[in-house]
This record gives sequence, C-alpha cells and structure tokens, in this order.
Amino acid sequence: AAGVIQSPRHLIKEKRETATLKCYPIPRHDTVYWYQQGPGQDPQFLISFYEKMQSDKGSIPDRFSAQQFSDYHSELNMSSLELGDSALYFCASSRGQGSQPQHFGDGTRLSIL
Amino acid sequence: SQQGEEDPQALSIQEGENATMNCSYKTSINNLQWYRQNSGRGLVHLILIRSNEREKHSGRLRVTLDTSKKSSSLLITASRAADTASYFCATDGNNDMRFGAGTRLTVKP
Repeated sequence: AAGVIQSPRHLIKEKRETATLKCYPIPRHDTVYWYQQGPGQDPQFLISFYEKMQSDKGSIPDRFSAQQFSDYHSELNMSSLELGDSALYFCASSRGQGSQPQHFGDGTRLSIL
Repeated sequence: SQQGEEDPQALSIQEGENATMNCSYKTSINNLQWYRQNSGRGLVHLILIRSNEREKHSGRLRVTLDTSKKSSSLLITASRAADTASYFCATDGNNDMRFGAGTRLTVKP
C-alpha cells in the first residue's frame, strides 16, 4: 500500500540558509500534519492542513511556513535556519480531521552546520 | 495544549514477558492513540481508544483508558525482540495531536 512520502530524506544546511521539505500524503488523504522531533525528544506538533487550508497551529516558529497544494502535497519552508532546527521532521496524513489515525512518513533529517 | 506523559521512560524485559506502559494526560480528550517508533523512523499507529471506551484489544496489544484518572496503559503480551522500540501515547486536540515523551522498550532475546 502507498505510504506517506517525504523528501529529501536527509538535508544538510548552514546557519541562516533556507530549506524546503516536501510531503506527499497517502492517496485520498486530505489532512497533513507536520512534526519536529529533536534527538531523544517526543514529536512536537508544528502545523496541520485540511483540504488545503491551515487547520491548526502548534509550536511552529515564525521563520517557518507551510502550505498544502491542490494535489494535497505539502511543503514546509524554513528560513534563517538555526543550529537548534536540527531535527527529524515528520509529515503525517489522515483522511479527515479529528479522531483519525495518522500515517507517518519516514521523515527528513535536517542537520544545520 | 494537552500532552500525554508516559512512564516508565525506559523498560527492559526478556522475550516472552509482558510489558506495561502508562500514559497520563491533563485535559479532556476525545480519544487517545498509541504509536510505536523504531529508531530514526516514522511513527506507526497501533491502536485508538475513544473516550467512551474502557478497554480495547488488538492482537497482543491491550489498551485501557481511565478518563477519571486521565490515564491509559498499553500492555504488550508475550513480547518479542522485534517489539523493541519507543512507544508514545498521543491525545487529540481539535485538529492535531500532542505526543508524550515516550517509553523506550527493550526486549532482550
């Protein structure tokens, strides 16, 4: 079965650079979620989209933005990168909102030098 | 925001033993979900229990929910080495989920 696809799998950037992470949800899933997970930490919710509209916002820094496109894929744009942004970034998708199981991609490992 | 908190933080058992992990949360929920995560991989959904349910089973997994105590437990019976992973509970908000810190389970062969 098709799963959530994230790209790239690994990304190395320097401080103050920008990065764009992409997420392709499972077909027919209309909701996308972004999470950030630091080493040894629990996943922190960043932002979610339902039907191409932002549905909820968590601890996403102002330097980050995201959107969901007409084909339901989503991109997380990160600017003025800082050392503390080094983490695993997960995307998850679900069909509908609320009490739905989320299906996670394998994440993008972002390293800031 | 509400957040599940698991205990213990780490658990090490022998293959064949049962493993119990607990989760507590702070505010009212619609449902609670358990996920597992292998190192460096994405989370995998295990089971969802709704606020009006008290117990749910799925294979070797048994989840209980006590909304009066705002707590849940995940029991893995007859553990296997392949069960070694981190286990997270997650509570729902409106359109998102909040994860707890997770329990790192090690099952020794």
